[in-house]
Amino acid sequence: AQSVTQPDIHITVSEGASLELRCNYSYGATPYLFWYVQSPGQGLQLLLKYFSGDTLVQGIKGFEAEFKRSQSSFNLRKPSVHWSDAAEYFCAVGAEEYGNKLVFGAGTILRVKS
Amino acid sequence: KAGVTQTPRYLIKTRGQQVTLSCSPISGHRSVSWYQQTPGQGLQFLFEYFSETQRNKGNFPGRFSGRQFSNSRSEMNVSTLELGDSALYLCASSPYRQGNGYTFGSGTRLTVV
Repeated sequence: AQSVTQPDIHITVSEGASLELRCNYSYGATPYLFWYVQSPGQGLQLLLKYFSGDTLVQGIKGFEAEFKRSQSSFNLRKPSVHWSDAAEYFCAVGAEEYGNKLVFGAGTILRVKS
Repeated sequence: KAGVTQTPRYLIKTRGQQVTLSCSPISGHRSVSWYQQTPGQGLQFLFEYFSETQRNKGNFPGRFSGRQFSNSRSEMNVSTLELGDSALYLCASSPYRQGNGYTFGSGTRLTVV
């Protein structure tokens, strides 16, 4: 069965500092991997996705993620965090045989201090 | 291009009642999925509909059901509501059957009292 682990429940970074949010997944075949962001009381917005090909994926709002098969990881990064990036971030995994079903991690709440 | 529209945004129901939530996907999107989000369980997959057929179902009791209409709009129904059904219910649409990622709606916040 698919599973996703986001080991950090909360992360606090200073505005302008770099950010890395961790995501580890468990799945036997090649997964589809996603990062979503959710602001309070809102739905989820897709930041980026990986299906195949280049393992470094660029997304919106200056985010990128790197797929590392050997580590079963798909960590999200941003070189310089802005106060508006404060939100909850979810990593998700899917697979071709599961159609559009995604399994989500528990989320990481990002706080940005000025 | 309009996004995914969910109605109503907020709902308060009493235990034992039933509720119907509505979702209008992005125009041209044929796949609609539903998720339940709670602080304790996180985001959990309820079911997916594609071209009016349920294609996938999560581990929820039979009280949770859904359907999709020919215009791709979807509804989900919860019967005999329990306190534990209080959650944010998110609808998401996708143009394709597999693996394209979703566009989510803002959700319906259901409170069961």
